[in-house]
Amino acid sequence: NAGVTQTPKFQVLKTGQSMTLQCAQDMNHEYMSWYRQDPGMGLRLIHYSVGAGITDQGEVPNGYNVSRSTTEDFPLRLLSAAPSQTSVYFCASSYSGENTQYFGPGTRLTVL
Amino acid sequence: KQEVTQIPAALSVPEGENLVLNCSFTDSAIYNLQWFRQDPGKGLTSLLLIQSSQREQTSGRLNASLDKSSGRSTLYIAASQPGDSATYLCAVDSNDYKLSFGAGTTVTVRA
Repeated sequence: NAGVTQTPKFQVLKTGQSMTLQCAQDMNHEYMSWYRQDPGMGLRLIHYSVGAGITDQGEVPNGYNVSRSTTEDFPLRLLSAAPSQTSVYFCASSYSGENTQYFGPGTRLTVL
Repeated sequence: KQEVTQIPAALSVPEGENLVLNCSFTDSAIYNLQWFRQDPGKGLTSLLLIQSSQREQTSGRLNASLDKSSGRSTLYIAASQPGDSATYLCAVDSNDYKLSFGAGTTVTVRA
């Protein structure tokens, strides 16, 4: 199993550009989520999904969209990038019968 | 809203010393608490998960305790090694898989 994979590893955007951060898992986990990590702060939940076709907002959803058309994939879209979205983004997945969450390696995003 | 605090923010110890990392949370109605390790520029690796009904969990040199009533968890790492140098994150699940994280404790073990 590859576990949770994220692409790209690094990305630089200009203010106003849009992009999609990819997340995939091959463990057949129902639950997937996106977090952002900023210096000196804990990870904060952006959006989450409890299964294909079901998504909901977390603590800091503004400026981000998600969709979940398959169990495996959970992309995060930045609609119009802003410097405040400069951060490291982590995707996580979990199986409903097991509380442990598995994290991807992260995407480091810089918005100029 | 669940608030999670980790003190100290950074810790430096000589090799062989035992490590004690603290985590406190404001709402005792939790499902579980998880400790993660994060190496620089890397993702999070789960170390231990304690269910709300448990008092502690152990894995090798690691032991984590949970006192729900006082809103505290402690991660003990016995006989620290330079390879234990990393940032340790505490995360509380109080709402169906939605984790609330502390800011972490960065540990340096000096050889």
